[in-house]
Amino acid sequence: DAKTTQPPSMDCAEGRAANLPCNHSTISGNEYVYWYRQIHSQGPQYIIHGLKNNETNEMASLIITEDRKSSTLILPHATLRDTAVYYCIVRVYGQNFVFGPGTRLSVLP
Amino acid sequence: KAGVTQTPRYLIKTRGQQVTLSCSPISGHRSVSWYQQTPGQGLQFLFEYFSETQRNKGNFPGRFSGRQFSNSRSEMNVSTLELGDSALYLCASSPLGSLNTGELFFGEGSRLTVL
Repeated sequence: DAKTTQPPSMDCAEGRAANLPCNHSTISGNEYVYWYRQIHSQGPQYIIHGLKNNETNEMASLIITEDRKSSTLILPHATLRDTAVYYCIVRVYGQNFVFGPGTRLSVLP
Repeated sequence: KAGVTQTPRYLIKTRGQQVTLSCSPISGHRSVSWYQQTPGQGLQFLFEYFSETQRNKGNFPGRFSGRQFSNSRSEMNVSTLELGDSALYLCASSPLGSLNTGELFFGEGSRLTVL
């Protein structure tokens, strides 16, 4: 079973930051937090992952709370092409990825 | 660098038939994982292959099988198809798969319709 809880859907205005929350209150010390997204009818796309420090790449930023029980994916300037289902996954070395239902983000013009 | 390639992209079968789906991973990647995606169950892990050996397996019946070749290409087979096998089948590759903390790279999927 997925070890994360995400809101089923969110809206964001185009050009604004999209902040997608994820709760993983039972995360263990060696589990990483991953974010993927899936645009309609395409394969999931990797966004970012981290262990305990905040991470940033060209697509997004990942903010992990100090107790690691929750995290937030930030898309700094959302565009219409960011409309997708976003999956938050916690995973440890040696395990396969378990996808939950994710958050359906709609970026509105 | 070419991405993960899955063939065929779309196919229609009838109940009782069998189907074989193919996946070519990114060059240099040794791990291939397969997932089934349906509207009701979401993305579910089928199995992972690494260096021609099945390393992990999800909770699917024995009708679902797979294999990996020496060039890392992988095939999955579903025998005695049922209506509920209609789904998007996704393949993902990675350099070391579950043996590292890196990401998976997914293909576009093969959409199977069972009539």
